[in-house]
Amino acid sequence: KNEVEQSPQNLTAQEGEFITINCSYSVGISALHWLQQHPGGGIVSLFMLSSGKKKHGRLIATINIQEKHSSLHITASHPRDSAVYICAVGGATNKLIFGTGTLLAVQP
Amino acid sequence: NAGVTQTPKFQVLKTGQSMTLQCAQDMNHEYMSWYRQDPGMGLRLIHYSVGAGITDQGEVPNGYNVSRSTTEDFPLRLLSAAPSQTSVYFCASSYFPRTAREKLFFGSGTQLSVL
Repeated sequence: KNEVEQSPQNLTAQEGEFITINCSYSVGISALHWLQQHPGGGIVSLFMLSSGKKKHGRLIATINIQEKHSSLHITASHPRDSAVYICAVGGATNKLIFGTGTLLAVQP
Repeated sequence: NAGVTQTPKFQVLKTGQSMTLQCAQDMNHEYMSWYRQDPGMGLRLIHYSVGAGITDQGEVPNGYNVSRSTTEDFPLRLLSAAPSQTSVYFCASSYFPRTAREKLFFGSGTQLSVL
């Protein structure tokens, strides 16, 4: 079993829909990262969080340390949100463990 | 600031050839790392460095060498390319220590094919 599991693996939504991507992990962590990768593009850091909730524009990330679970929400989704969203967790070492990503397609 | 600059963007090698992937950052980050990204798998750490002159192995180091002579540069060398090294490679950097709690900055990636 992978130490970081994301669901769903693939997600198709209509423009304007509210989207949720989930990340569960089995190891102790000090922080969790959400990253975005556009097709053929580089990887961009969206959030780093260790507790609670963070918001940036239409993106909201939450984490529940006790349940070892995080969610990334996208409100009023837009085709430009189409990308792979990657969850990564970091513990006491300098190494991150990455999930396999969620491929999101937002159709107009 | 340019951020993390990674070159080349694409490369095709024949089995047995050697090459170096370049990575440079201008943010004075102590921590630099190389990852490979394969279909159906998460990013996997190849090698990392926490400062000039200090490198260490990650999850999948075999077949790769690194060095860190300056804070800015962290090249990745493939000594004798194999088809199993066909992948997309990313360089990343961040502040250190407590790297797990720092924002990670990625290069634009190198798509490598080994024939």
